[in-house]
Amino acid sequence: NAGVTQTPKFQVLKTGQSMTLQCAQDMNHNSMYWYRQDPGMGLRLIYYSASEGTTDKGEVPNGYNVSRLNKREFSLRLESAAPSQTSVYFCASSKDGQYGYTFGSGTRLTVV
Amino acid sequence: AQKITQTQPGMFVQEKEAVTLDCTYDTSDPSYGLFWYKQPSSGEMIFLIYQGSYDQQNATEGRYSLNFQKARKSANLVISASQLGDSAMYFCAMREYAPMEYGNKLVFGAGTILRVKS
Repeated sequence: NAGVTQTPKFQVLKTGQSMTLQCAQDMNHNSMYWYRQDPGMGLRLIYYSASEGTTDKGEVPNGYNVSRLNKREFSLRLESAAPSQTSVYFCASSKDGQYGYTFGSGTRLTVV
Repeated sequence: AQKITQTQPGMFVQEKEAVTLDCTYDTSDPSYGLFWYKQPSSGEMIFLIYQGSYDQQNATEGRYSLNFQKARKSANLVISASQLGDSAMYFCAMREYAPMEYGNKLVFGAGTILRVKS
C-alpha cells in the first residue's frame, strides 16, 4: 500500500548508543518531516526537508541529525541517545503542504 | 510564531451524543490551514478534516464538522452521534502558507483525549 513506512516500530537503546530511524515514502512527495510525541505536548517538529537536498531544524533539533537520502527517504539519527529522547517518533510527508500530510505508523523508542 | 491551544486535556461523551473539541490558534499570517487528526490507542495518525483560512463555509466530513470562527481564531471539531470507536486522542494542527522551500510545517496542539461512554 502507498504511504509512509517507518522502521523500526520499537527500539530500546542504552544511554550513549546510536541509532538511525528510517523513513520512506512512495507518493512522490516533496516535503518530509520528523516529529516526536511526548505526553501532554502533542507532536513537535524535530527536522524537516522541504525538498530533496535540503534539510532544516524544527522546534526541537538538539541531539538529532537527519539525512534526505533521495526524494523517497529521510532518516533521523541519534548519535548518543539520552533518556530524554525516549518518545514516539513519527515521520510524515507532504506533496506541497496544501493537500495534507501522510504519517508513518511511528517508532516507539525507549532509552534506558 | 504559530501556536495552537487545546484547553481540554480530556473529555467524556455519552454514546450517540455530539461533542465539541476546542482549538484556538494564533497567527499573523492571513493564509493558513487548519487540520484535525485522530490518534486511536493503536497510535497511527488519522486525518479527519481540513479548513482553509479563506474557505467561506465550515468544512464537513461525514460525522465530523469544523466550527471555524475566524475572528475568534477558533477551529473547534464537532463530532456528531458519537460512537465507541471515536474514543481516541484528537489533535488540532495549523500550517501557515509559505513558499515550498520553507517546508509548510505543521504545528500541533497538545491534544484532547476523548472517551465515549456506552
